[in-house]
Amino acid sequence: ETGVTQSPTHLIKTRGQQVTLRCSSQSGHNTVSWYQQALGQGPQFIFQYYREEENGRGNFPPRFSGLQFPNYSSELNVNALELDDSALYLCASSPRGSDEQYFGPGTRLTVT
Amino acid sequence: DAKTTQPNSMESNEEEPVHLPCNHSTISGTDYIHWYRQLPSQGPEYVIHGLTSNVNNRMASLAIAEDRKSSTLILHRATLRDAAVYYCILMSQRDRGSTLGRLYFGRGTQLTVWP
Repeated sequence: ETGVTQSPTHLIKTRGQQVTLRCSSQSGHNTVSWYQQALGQGPQFIFQYYREEENGRGNFPPRFSGLQFPNYSSELNVNALELDDSALYLCASSPRGSDEQYFGPGTRLTVT
Repeated sequence: DAKTTQPNSMESNEEEPVHLPCNHSTISGTDYIHWYRQLPSQGPEYVIHGLTSNVNNRMASLAIAEDRKSSTLILHRATLRDAAVYYCILMSQRDRGSTLGRLYFGRGTQLTVWP
């Protein structure tokens, strides 16, 4: 069984640019969540998608947006990048009704 | 969101038991207690969860106080691979039923295991 994968592994962007991060959910998982983890901190919930619709959002501005596709893969888009957006971005998938979330290894984004 | 309090760091020797405490004095009756851990350079990994009764699985045991204001994650024999940040998280019944899996992480406990 393939686990949650994310791409790219690392990314460097300039302030003001836009970025798209990708996540492939574990087979059979129809719910995907995105988290931001700053250095030395725990992950912070950004939003969750279920059946291609946003199903809950944390305290993040609208320039953080997402998509979920019919195959349950997902994208996180961040516009107008700021220096504070530098972080590890984690994707987690779960089958509906499950108590477990399965995390990918993350994408390390650096904004200069 | 209900908060949890954990020590910043703990240490253990290999093959010894480890008891990781978590305080959650404002827990509500429908909050579940979840534990995740994050190994270096990896995403978090589910460990165990419970509501009122003590729970065991292949990875660990979860001991929940009778008043539910605290819990302890027990690793019965620590290995070097158990060195990680351990997060104690409360998940409300509301979140389980609707938003499904909205996890609110604190800073966790950094566990160091010595050979």
